[in-house]
Amino acid sequence: GENVEQHPSTLSVQEGDSAVIKCTYSDSASNYFPWYKQELGKRPQLIIDIRSNVGEKKDQRIAVTLNKTAKHFSLHITETQPEDSAVYFCADFNQAGTALIFGKGTTLSVSS
Amino acid sequence: NAGVTQTPKFRILKIGQSMTLQCTQDMNHNYMYWYRQDPGMGLKLIYYSVGAGITDKGEVPNGYNVSRSTTEDFPLRLELAAPSQTSVYFCASSTDRASNQPQHFGDGTRLSIL
Repeated sequence: GENVEQHPSTLSVQEGDSAVIKCTYSDSASNYFPWYKQELGKRPQLIIDIRSNVGEKKDQRIAVTLNKTAKHFSLHITETQPEDSAVYFCADFNQAGTALIFGKGTTLSVSS
Repeated sequence: NAGVTQTPKFRILKIGQSMTLQCTQDMNHNYMYWYRQDPGMGLKLIYYSVGAGITDKGEVPNGYNVSRSTTEDFPLRLELAAPSQTSVYFCASSTDRASNQPQHFGDGTRLSIL
């Protein structure tokens, strides 16, 4: 853990379009991949996570995919809505495996 | 049903002053964490604790101290406040390692050092 790169830093889409945010990690032993959403002035909240024994997980309009060979995982939001506008963070573990280290975040703006 | 409670919500300090940011959780979680978030930036881990009496440094521990005398409380201490410590501070907790249970965040403390 302790090294997670997140792209893009900003993303603007039209309502109804899809949005994809990608995170790359460095530790091949990593086995848990969460995504957090933070609305303006609010606390971060977990929206979806995936473990290394599956390649994809869906929850309504949100999905996360994992490519362990390439060491990256992605957040997919379909049929985006204005309320999806927020900052999204991926995370990986510290070396001790006891705390999350967060990416720098992606600011998603959905315009109607 | 309080979850993670942080006090105060806002605070302005002068350079060189000290203060303690309070964090308490009522979910009987073993793991607790302190993060700071500078404007427009991500979350940086300051300190964390895996149980009462145990604390460990995170990514940016310099200028801070913590203690964990009880399961419920995890205060963060700033001894000599500096302008670089102006940030939003989030406390979080989880029942187990974050690989097994999600981290629950408090509402944050907005701290300005002038």
